[in-house]
Amino acid sequence: DAGITQSPRHKVTETGTPVTLRCHQTENHRYMYWYRQDPGHGLRLIHYSYGVKDTDKGEVSDGYSVSRSKTEDFLLTLESATSSQTSVYFCATQDEQGLKYNEQFFGPGTRLTVL
Amino acid sequence: AQTVTQSQPEMSVQEAETVTLSCTYDTSENNYYLFWYKQPPSRQMILVIRQEAYKQQNATENRFSVNFQKAAKSFSLKISDSQLGDTAMYFCAFMRRGNSKLTFGKGITLSVRP
Repeated sequence: DAGITQSPRHKVTETGTPVTLRCHQTENHRYMYWYRQDPGHGLRLIHYSYGVKDTDKGEVSDGYSVSRSKTEDFLLTLESATSSQTSVYFCATQDEQGLKYNEQFFGPGTRLTVL
Repeated sequence: AQTVTQSQPEMSVQEAETVTLSCTYDTSENNYYLFWYKQPPSRQMILVIRQEAYKQQNATENRFSVNFQKAAKSFSLKISDSQLGDTAMYFCAFMRRGNSKLTFGKGITLSVRP
């Protein structure tokens, strides 16, 4: 398995507060992704990165921003958390070459509750 | 845009029996990949099996196999000799070749009964 960690693993916050979730990988994979998982929706892509400082929006990007200043770290920020952002957030990475070039490896997830 | 549909929200199977999970997708692309991911109660996402659209042969991984029908845009997962550890949520996913973004279905909850 790719070494992917997420922090924090659980967080409870209040509406209107900023929140930053961190994804850290040790595999030197080029691509990184943030998904959210909600009942009845599966996983939906929020933002992704195809290299340091290169990011783009996914299908549910409103209210989220990301940054990638190093290959190994991909940060997801909720500028002003809302209750609709209560979810489980997954980070994933993908290599661009090799036998597993099209496989995404997932972190353990972060459960975020916005009160 | 691609869509992935898993119409069965949940299924149950007796241990040691065979179960098939359904998935259909919609795309205008010709080159793509299809995946089944497993999410056990631990929440960890685990790749079960993948299929490359240009390969006619159905992928197999031990007890897991797929029935890939490209013309019908169908991609079902067959689990043989079901085990208690197969209890999980299963997601079907699509990736356009050269794109690297996954589109997931809503998932199906599979329960294996002892």
